[in-house]
Amino acid sequence: NAGVMQNPRHLVRRRGQEARLRCSPMKGHSHVYWYRQLPEEGLKFMVYLQKENIIDESGMPKERFSAEFPKEGPSILRIQQVVRGDSAAYFCASSPGRASQPQHFGDGTRLSIL
Amino acid sequence: SQQGEEDPQALSIQEGENATMNCSYKTSINNLQWYRQNSGRGLVHLILIRSNEREKHSGRLRVTLDTSKKSSSLLITASRAADTASYFCATDEGKAAGNKLTFGGGTRVLVKP
Repeated sequence: NAGVMQNPRHLVRRRGQEARLRCSPMKGHSHVYWYRQLPEEGLKFMVYLQKENIIDESGMPKERFSAEFPKEGPSILRIQQVVRGDSAAYFCASSPGRASQPQHFGDGTRLSIL
Repeated sequence: SQQGEEDPQALSIQEGENATMNCSYKTSINNLQWYRQNSGRGLVHLILIRSNEREKHSGRLRVTLDTSKKSSSLLITASRAADTASYFCATDEGKAAGNKLTFGGGTRVLVKP
């Protein structure tokens, strides 16, 4: 499967725990974007990364949220001390970084906080 | 209102009919993209229209872009039950904005067999 791979598909955490969401971009794509989707809403941009660099994190909450895209391995979105309001679907998208190229999305991770 | 607002929010049609949905936005854009999302799944890219293009076709899809009105429309002709999904427009403000996409709230389309 050459598409964007996200895991896990579903993640359940209790309040106060940590959530780690993984994203492997499409082969040949070096640009990764994370979006969050609340029920019945559109996606909201969180963070844009290239290998080993955070390019734009303007959509990410200042506290508890962090993201990385290491030289080797998947991109990770990490949420510390989760709260009920973090319940959402988190989508990763990748692109080759050239102008006017569509982003390709994974199937998302649905995070539920008990 | 937000960048990339879709209208209508929901649409119910019979199989074989055409479905039209509109998207309005506020800022200057590099391109505008339409995506489809089936329930519980990720987004599937449908079509990208650049700011210097006015109309684009892909199979049963037709997209228009009017940059003077900051609006776009997506037409699905001869709809099928399999077209039942949510449809989102997303604006890309270009490299200076990191090519991040700004999505509207979506149009939920139900195609009845």
